[in-house]
Amino acid sequence: GQNIDQPTEMTATEGAIVQINCTYQTSGFNGLFWYQQHAGEAPTFLSYNVLDGLEEKGRFSSFLSRSKGYSYLLLKELQMKDSASYLCAVDSGAGSYQLTFGKGTKLSVIP
Amino acid sequence: GAVVSQHPSWVICKSGTSVKIECRSLDFQATTMFWYRQFPKQSLMLMATSNEGSKATYEQGVEKDKFLINHASLTLSTLTVTSAHPEDSSFYICSARDLGEGLGSPLHFGNGTRLTVT
Repeated sequence: GQNIDQPTEMTATEGAIVQINCTYQTSGFNGLFWYQQHAGEAPTFLSYNVLDGLEEKGRFSSFLSRSKGYSYLLLKELQMKDSASYLCAVDSGAGSYQLTFGKGTKLSVIP
Repeated sequence: GAVVSQHPSWVICKSGTSVKIECRSLDFQATTMFWYRQFPKQSLMLMATSNEGSKATYEQGVEKDKFLINHASLTLSTLTVTSAHPEDSSFYICSARDLGEGLGSPLHFGNGTRLTVT
């Protein structure tokens, strides 16, 4: 089966850096996605990793280690608007292009 | 970028009635669309995969006779919640991938439909 784990909640201070971890065990692997979801809204795409290493996109970076089944999302210079849930999702290559989502990490940014 | 439009954004209905939710890919064709459900403070749960021109594939535990899916064209999928009950109240979100975006094409989500059954 597919298993994706990430912490349930995290709290960080405005202006700081926070790292949200994700570990996965899936039958196949075609890439890992990070999404941001504000309460009551649909998820929005943040990043995609398929090769090992760090992908940087502005204040957000995402890292992948395929051998360890591990990824993290790094958020720098935190802003209050970054308070949201962050979802880790894996494309296991099941053939129908669906993604399997983790349960999400609720990040609270405090002043 | 690819846009997925979902309608309505919210609906309130009485128990026992049916509700139809539409999902459209606006600037790309989607042979496959995905329907998710999300209860408060929980993760997205895949309900079914909608396939253009063929039957939908339902996840374990999802009643196919209750959640009717029709993928009539390459840009439109509909989810009908039949004989809705209060426990069906949830946030329903559709999504699709624009395979023209190449490797790593993300799932693009509609804005979701908040269903409340009274």
